[in-house]
Amino acid sequence: DIQMTQSPSTLSASGGDRVTITCRASQSIRGWLAWYQQKPGKAPKLLIYRASSLESGVPSRFSGSGSGTEFTLTINSLQADDFATYYCQQYHSYPYTFGQGTKLEIK
Amino acid sequence: QEQLVESGGGVAQPGTSLRLSCAASGFSFSGYAMHWVRQAPGKGLEWVADISYDGSEKNYRDSMKGRVTISRDNSKNTVSLLMTNLSPADTAVYYCARDAGHQGFSNYWGQGTLVTVSS
Repeated sequence: DIQMTQSPSTLSASGGDRVTITCRASQSIRGWLAWYQQKPGKAPKLLIYRASSLESGVPSRFSGSGSGTEFTLTINSLQADDFATYYCQQYHSYPYTFGQGTKLEIK
Repeated sequence: QEQLVESGGGVAQPGTSLRLSCAASGFSFSGYAMHWVRQAPGKGLEWVADISYDGSEKNYRDSMKGRVTISRDNSKNTVSLLMTNLSPADTAVYYCARDAGHQGFSNYWGQGTLVTVSS
């Protein structure tokens, strides 16, 4: 199985900050990576697919980059609504796997 | 608009079986692959299984192979997950999710159904 490792596990930031979350794959997944946002008690929401493509309706302050084994999710000018847990997911090969999550907290 | 509604969760005893269902509406169900993803309490997301748009291809996470069966009924716009020989480790919220279109990631998710395995 392809292991997905996110860092950091927890991130403290303030409104208006720019933050970056990293996701590393245990082997190359080319660009087959998605990012999701999840709030407590809610289903995940797709933010980014194919490593850098923004899902329709997602604010442009979210961006993704990377290929191969290292990927990043960047959020510019943090808004109150952005404090949540973020997951990466590889869909290069079965079984599809998620990172362990990064909780973005208010500083 | 697109909607997915899971049902069938609840409390189950270890060793028993449970069938989860997901009713889809607001899109052409027969055109999309579907996924089940679970999340144990306080833990991360775990992909469980998927099924192709026509039901001809099914994939499962290794640790659950032989215990779970995914199926779909395109005439009823439903996808199901049958889980057998349940253990406490299967306790989780189970989400039904629509594939974005032969892609592997999901752009619509249900609200989830909680399965608790306990004696």
